[in-house]
Amino acid sequence: QVQLVQSGAEMKKPGTSVKVSCKTSPSTFTGYYIHWVRQAPGQGLQWMGWINPHTSGTYYAHQFQGRLTMTRDASIITAYMELSRLSSDDTAVYYCATSIGWGQGTLVTVSS
Amino acid sequence: DIVLAQTPLSLSVTPGQPASISCKSSQSLLNSEGKTYLYWYLQRPGQPPQLLIYEVLNRFSGVSERFSGSGSGTDFTLKISRVEAEDAGVYYCMQAIELPVTFGGGTKVE
Repeated sequence: QVQLVQSGAEMKKPGTSVKVSCKTSPSTFTGYYIHWVRQAPGQGLQWMGWINPHTSGTYYAHQFQGRLTMTRDASIITAYMELSRLSSDDTAVYYCATSIGWGQGTLVTVSS
Repeated sequence: DIVLAQTPLSLSVTPGQPASISCKSSQSLLNSEGKTYLYWYLQRPGQPPQLLIYEVLNRFSGVSERFSGSGSGTDFTLKISRVEAEDAGVYYCMQAIELPVTFGGGTKVE
């Protein structure tokens, strides 16, 4: 069973950045791309991009390019998603996911 | 980007009755190797989405046989043979044949 454990909720001011972590298992880290998907309150799912934990290769959806960075730390089998220049429109639950399982989600609230 | 149009937006079903959700893609989801990258997820309230069906018709591990997927090319359907109370939530189709990955708008089943 895939286990993806995300960091806790964050409250951020507009213009700042947030970094969300996603801890996996060794088999997940080496076997699957890790995707990041967000869901604004009451809205649908929006795919943000993926990282290949094995190579650190990334692909970002065009609407996030320039302010989205996905990284990973193989020593602690953890992936990270950092989003900069936050606005209230970025208030959402952020999920990490593989093809066979999802993290529990991290609520990011952007408010002045 | 590939657009996935789901219908209906919402569905009220009596337990024990069947339900059907449609997902239409703006372009074919069939690749040159004969695989079709269309997936179905269920998101229960307060939970992350869970995978039900992958590559059009394959039930994911542990998913009830009451769920079935069908379709080809650009038109796909998720069917629930006999709806149970635990099936309530929002159903999403998703395509992964082309980046960016995109989701349908969701169908709320009550």
